[in-house]
Amino acid sequence: DAKTTQPTSMDCAEGRAANLPCNHSTISGNEYVYWYRQIHSQGPQYIIHGLKNNETNEMASLIITEDRKSSTLILPHATLRDTAVYYCIVRPYNYGQNFVFGPGTRLSVLP
Amino acid sequence: GAVVSQHPSWVICKSGTSVKIECRSLDFQATTMFWYRQFPKQSLMLMATSNEGSKATYEQGVEKDKFLINHASLTLSTLTVTSAHPEDSSFYICSATPRGLTKNLYNEQFFGPGTRLTVL
Repeated sequence: DAKTTQPTSMDCAEGRAANLPCNHSTISGNEYVYWYRQIHSQGPQYIIHGLKNNETNEMASLIITEDRKSSTLILPHATLRDTAVYYCIVRPYNYGQNFVFGPGTRLSVLP
Repeated sequence: GAVVSQHPSWVICKSGTSVKIECRSLDFQATTMFWYRQFPKQSLMLMATSNEGSKATYEQGVEKDKFLINHASLTLSTLTVTSAHPEDSSFYICSATPRGLTKNLYNEQFFGPGTRLTVL
């Protein structure tokens, strides 16, 4: 079973920041938080992952609360191409471990 | 980044026939690949874990005799849907974890573009 809860859907205006929350209150000490997204009829795309520190890359920023029970994915300037389903997944950092996908958040970026 | 390909991208077949789907890691080796299935408006569900040189591990409820997995090399895994039926129509996605790369890539999984199977 997925160990995260996310809003079913969200809307965001084009050019504005999209903040996608994720609750993972039962996360273990050895589990990382991963974010993937899936654009319609494509395979999931890796966005970012982190353990306890905030992370930033060219796609997004990941903010993890100090108690690690929740996190927020931030797309700083959302575009129409960011419309997708976003999955928040917690998973141990072990080689060969699969991902358990929940229903994710369907983000719609509106013009 | 690491690239995973799938072939074919889509296939339509008649009920009762078998369909083979290939999953290739193009620029890295992977001793473990995963096969997922996604029905319309649902999330990805893990079907099986494919291990190079050994038998695949199937998730509960997935028939191993119906969904044959062969991981014959470090860059190729195949999923064969035998005697396909309309209820097998779905989006099949594979993923692979690189081995032997830098720490940052060590545990990321890279997903293929998916194969849409339609059984008539």
